[in-house]
Amino acid sequence: DIVMTQTPLSSPVTLGQPASISCRSSQSLVHSDGNTYLSWLQQRPGQPPRLLIYKISNRFSGVPDRFSGSGAGTDFTLKISRVEAEDVGVYYCMQATHFWTFGQGTKVEIK
Amino acid sequence: EVQLVESGGGLIQPGGSLRLSCAASGFTVSNSYMTWVRQAPGKGLEWVSVIYSGGTTYYADSVKGRFTVSRDNSKNTLYLQMNSLRDEDTAVYYCARSLAGAVYWGQGTLVTVSA
Repeated sequence: DIVMTQTPLSSPVTLGQPASISCRSSQSLVHSDGNTYLSWLQQRPGQPPRLLIYKISNRFSGVPDRFSGSGAGTDFTLKISRVEAEDVGVYYCMQATHFWTFGQGTKVEIK
Repeated sequence: EVQLVESGGGLIQPGGSLRLSCAASGFTVSNSYMTWVRQAPGKGLEWVSVIYSGGTTYYADSVKGRFTVSRDNSKNTLYLQMNSLRDEDTAVYYCARSLAGAVYWGQGTLVTVSA
């Protein structure tokens, strides 16, 4: 199984300041079709997961452009350029190259 | 617009059975890669099962032999039959659809396994 490891697990941030979450996979996420199926999900309290970014860097419909994704191979990053109050929640990286596995989650909260 | 609505959750005793449904709209389940994911209370996300458009299915080791994923094309609905339920199966169960790397999620249905 592919193991996804996120850091940090908790990220207290000041409103308007940037935040960054890293995700590392235990093996390359490059699929045989040439795509890398690495996504980022946001889960607000009491809500289902919401897709933010797919295939490393593609923002999903309706996602604000303050969210961006980058990376390749086994190392990936989600960045929030300026954190807003509505960004509070838990963020998961997720791989779908070989079935699905998820990172442990990173809790983003306001300082 | 893609919509996924799960139902069928509830309180069930250990050893019991339950069938979850995921009613889809805005796309055709039979042509899609459909997945079940669960989340135990206060925990992270866990992949449970997948059914590909061709009908091939796969399961997490934790549910293999107890859970069965299927679909009813006439109802455009995905199912998860859960047998021999255990305390550790307590979770919110989400169905999800994959399309070109993007993932659409339902709202989830809560399954509580308890005596």
